[in-house]
Amino acid sequence: GAGVSQSPSNKVTEKGKDVELRCDPISGHTALYWYRQRLGQGLEFLIYFQGNSAPDKSGLPSDRFSAERTGESVSTLTIQRTQQEDSAVYLCASSFYSGNEQYFGPGTRLTVT
Amino acid sequence: AQSVAQPEDQVNVAEGNPLTVKCTYSVSGNPYLFWYVQYPNRGLQFLLKYITGDNLVKGSYGFEAEFNKSQTSFHLKKPSALVSDSALYFCAVRGSISSGSARQLTFGSGTQLTVLP
Repeated sequence: GAGVSQSPSNKVTEKGKDVELRCDPISGHTALYWYRQRLGQGLEFLIYFQGNSAPDKSGLPSDRFSAERTGESVSTLTIQRTQQEDSAVYLCASSFYSGNEQYFGPGTRLTVT
Repeated sequence: AQSVAQPEDQVNVAEGNPLTVKCTYSVSGNPYLFWYVQYPNRGLQFLLKYITGDNLVKGSYGFEAEFNKSQTSFHLKKPSALVSDSALYFCAVRGSISSGSARQLTFGSGTQLTVLP
């Protein structure tokens, strides 16, 4: 079956521009997560959605970062006024419920020049 | 707060030898423990998990992990390593919701496993 998909796979943008990253979770998965992985480092939690509950935004590094999710489907992560330190791979994951294993997408590699 | 430590950035092992990738954790309540593998330019792939039950958990590709509550460890093991096992391995943890734990996973910094032919 289809896994988690993310688009675009690569994004190069100029400093100060806004970017929007997309995640399509596995159908039927109620939980969706965004993580950031800087080069050579582990995963940094950004935000979590569970069904129609209020999202857990505790990992967002600044108010330039925001995310939305429509029901239990697509999610978009938006970074406004990008900075060079935003350069990283942004990973999306989904799970059937928040206690279960997460399935990851291939990531979007963001490069801010 | 929950945390994970992977004390080794790099592990090298000869093909055919047993391998161990170490992980220790800190969490409120009973732990939910996971191992993931990341191949170059790929997303993370789930290997195995421990939630409850037997302390020895078997997962994909012949990997297994042993939960040790007293040592708060969850080391990943494989009896006979393959060159194709070379990848970046992440341990992750979260606590039980009833203990007030966060719902997201906390990941370790990763261990690069290299299996030498």
